Amino acid sequence: DAGVIQSPRHEVTEMGQEVTLRCKPISGHDYLFWYRQTMMRGLELLIYFNNNVPIDDSGMPEDRFSAKMPNASFSTLKIQPSEPRDSAVYFCASRGTAYESYNEQFFGPGTRLTVL
Amino acid sequence: GDSVTQMEGPVTLSEEAFLTINCTYTATGYPSLFWYVQYPGEGLQLLLKATKADDKGSNKGFEATYRKETTSFHLEKGSVQVSDSAVYFCSLNGGSQGNLIFGKGTKLSVKP
Repeated sequence: DAGVIQSPRHEVTEMGQEVTLRCKPISGHDYLFWYRQTMMRGLELLIYFNNNVPIDDSGMPEDRFSAKMPNASFSTLKIQPSEPRDSAVYFCASRGTAYESYNEQFFGPGTRLTVL
Repeated sequence: GDSVTQMEGPVTLSEEAFLTINCTYTATGYPSLFWYVQYPGEGLQLLLKATKADDKGSNKGFEATYRKETTSFHLEKGSVQVSDSAVYFCSLNGGSQGNLIFGKGTKLSVKP
C-alpha cells in the first residue's frame, strides 16, 4: 500500500493567490482528516470527512478555506485568497472504521506551504 | 470536552538515558489512547496504542500503560538513542465519530 499521498510536497506562492492541496487516502479508508501544523499553534484539526461527507469543519479558520471530497479516493483543501499567516505544514490523514482500527489514523507526508 | 495534556518540551537527553514523557487526559467514556511520533520532515506515525484500562502498548522499546485511575498514559523508554529524536504526541479518540484529539507535542532531542 502506498499510504496516504499528498501533493504538492512544497508550495510557495504569493499573497492573494489561490492554493489547492491534494490528498489521496489509503484505499478502503472511509475517514479523511485535514490538519494544519505551525510552531505557534501546534497540530490543529481543520475538517474531517466520513464517506465523503464533511462531518466537522469547526476547525476551518475562515471562509477563505474550503475542502471537498468528490469521491472516496481524492480530497482537496483550497485557500483563496492565501495570506502569509496561512504558511504552515498541512497534513492529510485517513483511517478505516472504528471497529477495525480503534481510530488509528495514517498520516501523509504533508505539504509545506509558504505564502510570501 | 475531551482533552490531552502532555509535558512541555523540549526534552534533551544523552544517549542511553531513561525517558519519560507525561500525558494525562480528560474524557467521557472509555477512549483508546495513542502515542504518535513525528520525525523531522515527516508526517505523524503511530508509535503505540492501548484500547482499555491496564493495557500496555509497546513498540521499538517504548512503552505506555493505560491508567484509568490516574487518567494517564505516560511514555517511557529505558535507553534512548539518537535516532529517537523526534516530536511525540499523545492522543485519544474523541467524540462519537472518533476523531483523534492530540496533545501539543513534546520535542525530544537525544545527544550522542
